Amino acid sequence: ETGVTQSPTHLIKTRGQQVTLRCSSQSGHNTVSWYQQALGQGPQFIFQYYREEENGRGNFPPRFSGLQFPNYSSELNVNALELDDSALYLCASTGGQNTDTQYFGPGTRLTVL
Amino acid sequence: GENVEQHPSTLSVQEGDSAVIKCTYSDSASNYFPWYKQELGKGPQLIIDIRSNVGEKKDQRIAVTLNKTAKHFSLHITETQPEDSAVYFCAASNIRVREYGNKLVFGAGTILRVKS
Repeated sequence: ETGVTQSPTHLIKTRGQQVTLRCSSQSGHNTVSWYQQALGQGPQFIFQYYREEENGRGNFPPRFSGLQFPNYSSELNVNALELDDSALYLCASTGGQNTDTQYFGPGTRLTVL
Repeated sequence: GENVEQHPSTLSVQEGDSAVIKCTYSDSASNYFPWYKQELGKGPQLIIDIRSNVGEKKDQRIAVTLNKTAKHFSLHITETQPEDSAVYFCAASNIRVREYGNKLVFGAGTILRVKS
C-alpha cells in the first residue's frame, strides 16, 4: 500500500452535473498529480499541485479544476460532466526523500450517465 | 510533446518463462522511466524505475534496460509466476523541468497472463 487514499471509491453522475473527488497524499509528500484513466488505456496527466499552486497541466479543458490544501490533500473538480468523462481518476503523491517517484492511490471510478 | 508506445498489448507466457515488454519514447529530454503494475480494481504500483544516467537496473526477478540512443526501454521479468498476471505500464518523464510539472506520459499498457 502506498498510503495515498482517495474518496469516494465509486460515483455515478448524470451528464451536466458537477463532481468533486478527493485525495490524501502520503505523509510527508507535498506534490499531488491527477490522472484520468479511460477503460483499457494508460493514465493521462490532468494537472499537478505543488505547495498549493498548480504546477503543470495536461490537455484538459478548464472545466477540470483542482485545489491543494495546506495539509497537501487535494480535490479534483469537474463541471458540466460529459459522457466521455467516465473513467478511473487517479491521484499520485510525490515528495519526501525521493522527489521523482509518484505513488498512486486506488482511484475513484466515475460513471457519467 | 512526449509520446510513449508500448508493445505488445497482450502477452501470454507459461509459468517459469520470461516476459519482455518494450517501450519507445519520442522526447530525447525525458530522463526518468518508471514501470507500473496495475491489478484489477487497484491503482498502479511502481515496480521498478530507471534514470537516464543508468543503462540497466535489476531488482530480483525484474530488470529494466534503457537505450537512450534508440529511445527505447524494456522490462524483463524472469521466472514468471501466476501472481505476475496484471497490466503493466511504462512511462516517461522529464524531471528536470520542474516548472512544467513532473508529469508522467504513459504507454497504453500490456496485459500479461502467466499460465500455470
